[in-house]
Amino acid sequence: AQSVTQLGSHVSVSEGALVLLRCNYSSSVPPYLFWYVQYPNQGLQLLLKYTSAATLVKGINGFEAEFKKSETSFHLTKPSAHMSDAAEYFCAVSLYNQGGKLIFGQGTELSVKP
Amino acid sequence: KAGVTQTPRYLIKTRGQQVTLSCSPISGHRSVSWYQQTPGQGLQFLFEYFSETQRNKGNFPGRFSGRQFSNSRSEMNVSTLELGDSALYLCASSPQEGLVGYFGPGTRLTVL
Repeated sequence: AQSVTQLGSHVSVSEGALVLLRCNYSSSVPPYLFWYVQYPNQGLQLLLKYTSAATLVKGINGFEAEFKKSETSFHLTKPSAHMSDAAEYFCAVSLYNQGGKLIFGQGTELSVKP
Repeated sequence: KAGVTQTPRYLIKTRGQQVTLSCSPISGHRSVSWYQQTPGQGLQFLFEYFSETQRNKGNFPGRFSGRQFSNSRSEMNVSTLELGDSALYLCASSPQEGLVGYFGPGTRLTVL
């Protein structure tokens, strides 16, 4: 069965610093991988997704993630944090034959200090 | 295009009652998925509907049920509410079965 582990329930960075949110997955078959962001009292917004094309995926708001099969990782990065990036971030996995069923990690809350 | 709409946004019920939540997908989308979000268990998949048929189901008791109408709108029902059912219930719609969806703002259910 597939699973997702996000390292660090809370990450704090200074404005302008590098953002690195870690995600490792476990899957018996090649997965599809996703990063979502959730702002307070809102639903989930898709940042980016990996579906077996390019291993470096660029998303919205300057975020990107790299799929590394050998490390079973899909870490999310952004070169320079902005105050508006403060939110909760979720990594998720799905299998091509499982349709819309997403398995989520526990989430990482990102704080951005001025 | 209007996004995914969920009604009501907030709901308070007591133990033993039942509740029905509604989700209107983005126009033209035919697939709807439901998720439960709690602080303890995180985000968990409930079920997925496409063309009025349940395509996938998560590990939830039979008290949780859903359906989809011919206009793709979906409802989920929880009977005999328990305190642990307090959660944010999120709906996602997508144009086709199996695609990752666009999420609505959720319905916050509180069970007293």
